[in-house]
Amino acid sequence: DAGVTQSPTHLIKTRGQQVTLRCSPKSGHDTVSWYQQALGQGPQFIFQYYEEEERQRGNFPDRFSGHQFPNYSSELNVNALLLGDSALYLCASSLTRGVSYNEQFFGPGTRLTVL
Amino acid sequence: AQSVTQLGSHVSVSEGALVLLRCNYSSSVPPYLFWYVQYPNQGLQLLLKYTSAATLVKGINGFEAEFKKSETSFHLTKPSAHMSDAAEYFCAVSPSEKLTFGTGTRLTIIP
Repeated sequence: DAGVTQSPTHLIKTRGQQVTLRCSPKSGHDTVSWYQQALGQGPQFIFQYYEEEERQRGNFPDRFSGHQFPNYSSELNVNALLLGDSALYLCASSLTRGVSYNEQFFGPGTRLTVL
Repeated sequence: AQSVTQLGSHVSVSEGALVLLRCNYSSSVPPYLFWYVQYPNQGLQLLLKYTSAATLVKGINGFEAEFKKSETSFHLTKPSAHMSDAAEYFCAVSPSEKLTFGTGTRLTIIP
């Protein structure tokens, strides 16, 4: 059973550029959440997607946007990159209902470096 | 708003000694509480979760945590530390769909 997968593993961009990160959820999961983890910090919630719509959003600017596809996979897009966007971006998948409700399984992350 | 506070950004214990990692939460509604572990250059792995079924929760790798409403605490313990337990540990609260994490505790095991 494949867990949560993310691509790419590492990415280097320059300020002002745009980036797209990708996530495939754990088999059977219908909900995808994205988190930003700065060095030495805990993960911060960016947003969550369910049924191809953004269901909840954290305190992140509109430069951060996302998408969920019919197969439940998801993308995170960041426009006009800033140095402060350098972080590990984590994708987590979960089920919206059932006994495992809100039990989030995390992928290995994408390390984004903005120069 | 919901939040968690992890007391002690770094904890060192000797191999075979008790591990105690502290977490206090703040939530306006009955919370779901979680402990995750993160090894270097990896994502987060769920150790255990509290969902109101039982106050003492057993997780993987010999870890357990006790929910104490009167103290708003959810401390993580393991009776005997192993070298492989060295990692970063995060407590998280979730009354809804999103997780709110603490700042983490780095656990070092002394041989």
